[in-house]
Amino acid sequence: DAKTTQPPSMDCAEGRAANLPCNHSTISGNEYVYWYRQIHSQGPQYIIHGLKNNETNEMASLIITEDRKSSTLILPHATLRDTAVYYCIVRAGSNDYKLSFGAGTTVTVRA
Amino acid sequence: KAGVTQTPRYLIKTRGQQVTLSCSPISGHRSVSWYQQTPGQGLQFLFEYFSETQRNKGNFPGRFSGRQFSNSRSEMNVSTLELGDSALYLCASSLYSWGGGRNTEAFFGQGTRLTVV
Repeated sequence: DAKTTQPPSMDCAEGRAANLPCNHSTISGNEYVYWYRQIHSQGPQYIIHGLKNNETNEMASLIITEDRKSSTLILPHATLRDTAVYYCIVRAGSNDYKLSFGAGTTVTVRA
Repeated sequence: KAGVTQTPRYLIKTRGQQVTLSCSPISGHRSVSWYQQTPGQGLQFLFEYFSETQRNKGNFPGRFSGRQFSNSRSEMNVSTLELGDSALYLCASSLYSWGGGRNTEAFFGQGTRLTVV
């Protein structure tokens, strides 16, 4: 399975954009990048996913580099409720039958 | 649209007992996956059910089992509980089977917090 590397933690000021990096240098051509977040003691929340192109939805934007070896999740205007553990997951192709969660990045949004 | 519902939210059991957890997926979703989350091991895949069939299984002992009903609701059973089974058990609902060759998203419930004493 392709692996991801994320910083263990990062701080962000409320109202500012939060840029969460993820390295997936061994990613293959048919592998998707997924982002989830988990607020303490709740179930993981789906944020966004993508293959090659940049993606945007009501929660966030996903920027994938042209070589697909890294990506950045952007929360455009962070709020205190965005404090959570963020997981970057590479799904190893369409036959990968599970999500493989790593340690994630603990994001703390400060007022 | 209702989300994924897991019941009960909290459970305390004694070693050696068995437990059954329930998961109701999002309406129209036919895949239910189960995960165990502990502080030491993180989130780990247990198994996936699609159309009442177990499609995939993670590396857990046979004490962990499950089933899925015709309405896509799923139950997970753990027999002969051990202290190490204390964890947050999460189920995830998807439109398609994860191993079915399609891209899909998984939506998680709030989990059942199981404490074994």
